[in-house]
Amino acid sequence: EAQVTQNPRYLITVTGKKLTVTCSQNMNHEYMSWYRQDPGLGLRQIYYSMNVEVTDKGDVPEGYKVSRKEKRNFPLILESPSPNQTSLYFCASSFDPYTEAFFGQGTRLTVV
Amino acid sequence: GQQVMQIPQYQHVQEGEDFTTYCNSSTTLSNIQWYKQRPGGHPVFLIQLVKSGEVKKQKRLTFQFGEAKKNSSLHITATQTTDVGTYFCAASNDYKLSFGAGTTVTVRA
Repeated sequence: EAQVTQNPRYLITVTGKKLTVTCSQNMNHEYMSWYRQDPGLGLRQIYYSMNVEVTDKGDVPEGYKVSRKEKRNFPLILESPSPNQTSLYFCASSFDPYTEAFFGQGTRLTVV
Repeated sequence: GQQVMQIPQYQHVQEGEDFTTYCNSSTTLSNIQWYKQRPGGHPVFLIQLVKSGEVKKQKRLTFQFGEAKKNSSLHITATQTTDVGTYFCAASNDYKLSFGAGTTVTVRA
């Protein structure tokens, strides 16, 4: 079954404690991206990756890091989380930015 | 920042009625995509429009891309409770895929 898998689904953490949200896809997609969703703001792109070892900033990259060492995986790293990063995060993959994107189930992150 | 603006932000609809949500851009778009997110769920792709003036239908949903490729609309006829959710438009620019803020639809039975 074609899917994008994110883990964990829910996470509560404290300010400053490094965390990683994993994302994996099984569709051999080149393009992967991370979004955060906040009420009234829709989905805002954090980072995207065109291919292995190729990543670039989206619209709201501050406070986040990503890596793309393998085609199927695209983890999101928060080196020092802050409360303003409390949000719902989605990973997505597609063949390119112009075609259908498949989303993971989402990770609800709370930073206290 | 966001490339596309969506209106209205909220749409409260009586079951059986029609409604339209709009997506507008100040720049010409190469294409536009529409997604639906059910409450508690993740966005799911609905359709992509590429050509100027293009109209596509999916059962009760009609999608349109403006002649100037700067706007798009989603029209739903005979709204049902299954139409509840948030509808997003999205546009690609310089390898970024930018989403509008969405239109959240609630239905009164």
